[in-house]
Amino acid sequence: KAGVTQTPRYLIKTRGQQVTLSCSPISGHRSVSWYQQTPGQGLQFLFEYFSETQRNKGNFPGRFSGRQFSNSRSEMNVSTLELGDSALYLCASSLALVGADTQYFGPGTRLTVL
Amino acid sequence: EDKVVQSPLSLVVHEGDTVTLNCSYEVTNFRSLLWYKQEKKAPTFLFMLTSSGIEKKSGRLSSILDKKELFSILNITATQTGDSAVYLCAGASNDYKLSFGAGTTVTVRA
Repeated sequence: KAGVTQTPRYLIKTRGQQVTLSCSPISGHRSVSWYQQTPGQGLQFLFEYFSETQRNKGNFPGRFSGRQFSNSRSEMNVSTLELGDSALYLCASSLALVGADTQYFGPGTRLTVL
Repeated sequence: EDKVVQSPLSLVVHEGDTVTLNCSYEVTNFRSLLWYKQEKKAPTFLFMLTSSGIEKKSGRLSSILDKKELFSILNITATQTGDSAVYLCAGASNDYKLSFGAGTTVTVRA
């Protein structure tokens, strides 16, 4: 089975711009979660989607949003980028039919905001 | 707010040593405890623990969960340089969220 894929792998943006990241889960997985990883804060939960519905979200400002499509692929959008948004953004997929389940991570998108 | 604390933050050992990593958690609607290994890339899954007192083993790695005292231990025996990584533990909740600890950086010297 192919693993979780994320595109693009690297992005450089400037403050004020917006960015869209994409994630394709493992075949058969309908749950996709997004995380932000920074050296200071570690892995922080952004949100989780299942069958196009957001089931939970973390404590991030409204500039961070996401969606999931009918084929379980997910996108994450960050608007009005700030320097502090520079991070590795990881997506993970799982079965998660009832409660959180083992999550398998993609390689991440490294976002640099200048 | 959910809280997962790992200790120590880092340690350096020599090949062949045994290491014990600790993880304590306070997770609302707790479902399971997961361990991941992260080298210079995405975390890779090691163990998922749902029941107290039942050790899970994979080669030289083993882990156990204590749901009464709210902690878990990850042991690595006969360490090798390839075990050098950040080890992350995460509490999984029934509301579809993983809360991660800060990780323990393990450095194994030849």
